Amino acid sequence: DSGVTQTPKHLITATGQRVTLRCSPRSGDLSVYWYQQSLDQGLQFLIHYYNGEERAKGNILERFSAQQFPDLHSELNLSSLELGDSALYFCASSPVEGSGNTIYFGEGSWLTVV
Amino acid sequence: DQQVKQNSPSLSVQEGRISILNCDYTNSMFDYFLWYKKYPAEGPTFLISISSIKDKNEDGRFTVFLNKSAKHLSLHIVPSQPGDSAVYFCAATGWAGTALIFGKGTTLSVSS
Repeated sequence: DSGVTQTPKHLITATGQRVTLRCSPRSGDLSVYWYQQSLDQGLQFLIHYYNGEERAKGNILERFSAQQFPDLHSELNLSSLELGDSALYFCASSPVEGSGNTIYFGEGSWLTVV
Repeated sequence: DQQVKQNSPSLSVQEGRISILNCDYTNSMFDYFLWYKKYPAEGPTFLISISSIKDKNEDGRFTVFLNKSAKHLSLHIVPSQPGDSAVYFCAATGWAGTALIFGKGTTLSVSS
C-alpha cells in the first residue's frame, strides 16, 4: 500500500459525458501528479500540482483539467469523453516540489468510455 | 517524440538467470533515473534509482547501470525469480522540478 488513494477504481461511461477522478496523496506529500496509461502508450504525464498550484503540464488535452485543493487532495476532470480516453489514470504523490525524487503511485482508476 | 525509450516490449528469462532490461533516453537534461515495477491491477512501485553522478547503484538482486555518454541505462536482476515477472518502467527527470518521464515498459516473464 503506497498510501495514495484513488477513487473510483473502475468507471464506465458514455461518449460525451464528464467524469471526475479523485486522488488523496500520502500524508504530508505536497506534490500530486496525474498520469495516463493507454494501451501500448506507457505512462503519459498529464499534470503536476504542488501545494495547490499547477507546476507543469504534459500531454493533457484541453478537455481535461485538474486541481489540487487546500487539503491537498486532487481531482482530474475529463469532459466530452471520447472512446480514445479509455485508459488507466494514475495519481502519484511526493513530498517535494521537484520529482528528482521518488514518487508514489496509487492503484489507478480504470476508465472505460463506451 | 519519446524522450525515454524501452525498445524491448518483452523479455523471457529462466529462473536463476540474469535479466537485463534496457532503456535509452534522448534529453541530455535528465540527471536522475528510476525503475518502477508494475504488477497487474496495481500501481507502479519504485524499485531503484540512480543519479547522473554515479554509474552504478545496487540494491540486493537489482543493479542499475548508467552510461551517460551513450544516454543508456540498464537494470540487471540477478538471480531472476518468478515473482519478478511484471512490467518494468524506466523513468527519467531533471532536478529542476520536471515530472518523471516514463518509457513504455518491458514485460518480464521469469519461468521456473
